[in-house]
Amino acid sequence: EAGVTQSPTHLIKTRGQQATLRCSPISGHTSVYWYQQALGLGLQFLLWYDEGEERNRGNFPPRFSGRQFPNYSSELNVNALELEDSALYLCASSLSPGHTIYFGEGSWLTVV
Amino acid sequence: QQQVKQSPQSLIVQKGGISIINCAYENTAFDYFPWYQQFPGKGPALLIAIRPDVSEKKEGRFTISFNKSAKQFSLHIMDSQPGDSATYFCAASGETSGSRLTFGEGTQLTVNP
Repeated sequence: EAGVTQSPTHLIKTRGQQATLRCSPISGHTSVYWYQQALGLGLQFLLWYDEGEERNRGNFPPRFSGRQFPNYSSELNVNALELEDSALYLCASSLSPGHTIYFGEGSWLTVV
Repeated sequence: QQQVKQSPQSLIVQKGGISIINCAYENTAFDYFPWYQQFPGKGPALLIAIRPDVSEKKEGRFTISFNKSAKQFSLHIMDSQPGDSATYFCAASGETSGSRLTFGEGTQLTVNP
């Protein structure tokens, strides 16, 4: 069974541009979570989607947004990129809320 | 009240030794406590998890000890191996947050051969 898959693996953007990261959850999983992991730092919760709806949002500015599609895949959009947005963006999924979450390998975003 | 505090920040252990990482939480609504292992350049992988109805859970060389009254839980790695060298994160979640996990700051474990 395929795990959580994320694309792209690496992305380099210029300050002020927009970045879009994509995530496919484990088959059958309806909940998708996004976390940011800046270099040497812990995992900061960004967004949680379940059944196509945004269920919770972390302490990030509105330029971080996303959505979940009918097939439960998800994308994270970061607008007006800033240098400090450079980080590993991790997507995770769970069968439904309250179940174990499994992480993908992440997408490295570098803002120059 | 959502914080999870983890210590130590880094840990160096000799091969065959015991590695112990501690976490403390504040939110009494938390009812699920997993540990994740992360190697450089990789996503975190679930290692072991516990719910507060038991005080200890063991899987191979990995054991979680849980103290509900103290709101603390710890990871013990017995017979630590160089391949265990990684960053370990404790986490917690509660029913009201779905599976949303609140993570500790992480512990970088180095096991010397």
